[in-house]
Amino acid sequence: EVQLLESGGGLVQPGGSLRLSCAASGFTFSTSAMSWVRQAPGKGLEWVAAIGATGGTTYSADSVKGRFTISRDNSKSILYLQMNSLRAEDTAVYYCAKDFWSGYYGTHWGQGTLVTVSS
Amino acid sequence: DIQMTQSPSSLSASVGDRVTITCRASQSINTYLNWYQQKPGKAPRLLIYAASSLRSGVPSRFSGSGSGPDFTLTISSLQPDDFATYYCQQSYNYPLTFGGGTKVEIK
Repeated sequence: EVQLLESGGGLVQPGGSLRLSCAASGFTFSTSAMSWVRQAPGKGLEWVAAIGATGGTTYSADSVKGRFTISRDNSKSILYLQMNSLRAEDTAVYYCAKDFWSGYYGTHWGQGTLVTVSS
Repeated sequence: DIQMTQSPSSLSASVGDRVTITCRASQSINTYLNWYQQKPGKAPRLLIYAASSLRSGVPSRFSGSGSGPDFTLTISSLQPDDFATYYCQQSYNYPLTFGGGTKVEIK
């Protein structure tokens, strides 16, 4: 059974940093592209960043470019999102999603982790 | 960026009703269109991929159609478990974008 478990969310001050993790199991992580998708409270879904199976190719939304970095450790089956220079508008539940990539679709999603940016 | 416009943003329907949700892309996206269902406090769930392919395990009352810029999600006979918010999403190119969502409520 595919399982994705996000962690690392919490309360952080504006300008601060946070690193999210998504631990994957139940499938061959090293052959799956992955993405982070977020949802601000009461709002819709917003794609944040994507990474190819090997980690060699990444894409990110303009809203986070230069501040957020997606990466992965295939030896540990973990996906990361390093978030720097956080802003209030980054407050959201962050989901990791398997296979969420151009030409494909998000087959499995984690339960999400809440990031709150506030002073 | 490709803008995805869903309509309506919300609707009220009764159990057994036929429900149709539309999604329009700001440019042609071939059939790179996916539909997700989301319930409060839960992660999105893939229903339809590539515009019309039903994901394994999803009830057959859900169907998708369309190509190019215009797409439709249809629920043939609404069931109590279907009250949720539905999102379309294009996977044609980056940035990957979602529609604003359609909330299906009980009449």
